[in-house]
Amino acid sequence: DADVTQTPRNRITKTGKRIMLECSQTKGHDRMYWYRQDPGLGLRLIYYSFDVKDINKGEISDGYSVSRQAQAKFSLSLESAIPNQTALYFCATSDPSEGGYEKLFFGSGTQLSVL
Amino acid sequence: QKEVEQDPGPLSVPEGAIVSLNCTYSNSAFQYFMWYRQYSRKGPELLMYTYSSGNKEDGRFTAQVDKSSKYISLFIRDSQPSDSATYLCAIAAGNKLTFGGGTRVLVKP
Repeated sequence: DADVTQTPRNRITKTGKRIMLECSQTKGHDRMYWYRQDPGLGLRLIYYSFDVKDINKGEISDGYSVSRQAQAKFSLSLESAIPNQTALYFCATSDPSEGGYEKLFFGSGTQLSVL
Repeated sequence: QKEVEQDPGPLSVPEGAIVSLNCTYSNSAFQYFMWYRQYSRKGPELLMYTYSSGNKEDGRFTAQVDKSSKYISLFIRDSQPSDSATYLCAIAAGNKLTFGGGTRVLVKP
């Protein structure tokens, strides 16, 4: 069973639509992250959360919002999707007791296409 | 200029060859150096982690860091088709983690 589960795996939507990507984890980690991956650009941080009451913007948070519903759940929303948000989205977790935030554990990703 | 530069490849090698990957970085404050491996349509997984200059070995994998040149490398000995993947370097300073764009590697049987 996957430790970090993302749903859906694939999503096609239209410009202007609101969509939500969901992430759940069974690793018991407090820290959770949302990244997007674009060809040649590597992974870029959208938002991160160090516990249920903590939400922080990453380097590319514009156009996105997040909700930390529980220690194990962290969702990413696109309020009004636009085509340049087409990308592969990853949720990740980390636990300082396992060496610090740098050791990330990723889900399998959600491929989002905005038409 | 990107803070972390990595050749996108693809890098194609025959089975059994040594794979050599590298990244350069510009911020001398970077302290921690990692390599992640990513198979197609999967999330990256941590392969190697180091915080000092020099070499670190783990089986067929060797990570090398040269802080004076701001240059890190990953070597894969006796490469196997199962090593075909994208390899991303990741470098951290404080709370900031920066990924390279990844190098795609193809090991041909």
